[in-house]
Amino acid sequence: AQSVTQPDARVTVSEGASLQLRCKYSYSGTPYLFWYVQYPRQGLQLLLKYYSGDPVVQGVNGFEAEFIKSNSSFHLRKASVHWSDSAVYFCAVSANSNNRIFFGDGTQLVVKP
Amino acid sequence: EAAVTQSPRNKVAVTGGKVTLSCNQTNNHNNMYWYRQDTGHGLRLIHYSYGAGSTEKGDIPDGYKASRPSQENFSLILELATPSQTSVYFCASGDSGDTLYFGAGTRLSVL
Repeated sequence: AQSVTQPDARVTVSEGASLQLRCKYSYSGTPYLFWYVQYPRQGLQLLLKYYSGDPVVQGVNGFEAEFIKSNSSFHLRKASVHWSDSAVYFCAVSANSNNRIFFGDGTQLVVKP
Repeated sequence: EAAVTQSPRNKVAVTGGKVTLSCNQTNNHNNMYWYRQDTGHGLRLIHYSYGAGSTEKGDIPDGYKASRPSQENFSLILELATPSQTSVYFCASGDSGDTLYFGAGTRLSVL
């Protein structure tokens, strides 16, 4: 079965700094990978997804993620964060052969002014 | 734009009472899901459905039932609510392995 590990429960960065949120997955086949964002008192929204092809995928608001198969990782990056990026970020993995999506526990991002 | 609507948005229930959380999607997705979100646990899957008339147990189904009477509607039922079921509940819809679209959540307090 698939699983996702987000090792950092909380990350604090200064506005304008670069960001990396870590995600490692466990799945023996070719995964579908996702990053979702959750703003306060809202549901999750898709940031970006990877199915195949170019391992670097671009998402909304300047976010990108890189699929590194050898490391089973799908880290999220942003070159320069804004205070409005403060939210909880979830990494998720799915197999193309079933209907389940498995979520990590999320990383709380705090952007300091 | 895909749309998932949950009702009610907030609910206060008494211990032992029956609670029904409703979810409606206009995306024509086959799959629908119910999650609960608690601090320190992320999202945990309670029940899901592949289509009208089907329900499947997720990872934490005990104390919950689900009903999918139509493609658009998926309900979560707490027959005998307990304080441990106080949480935020999210409904989502999607196609196999693809993006999930989430509702805004229902905040349930069981007193």
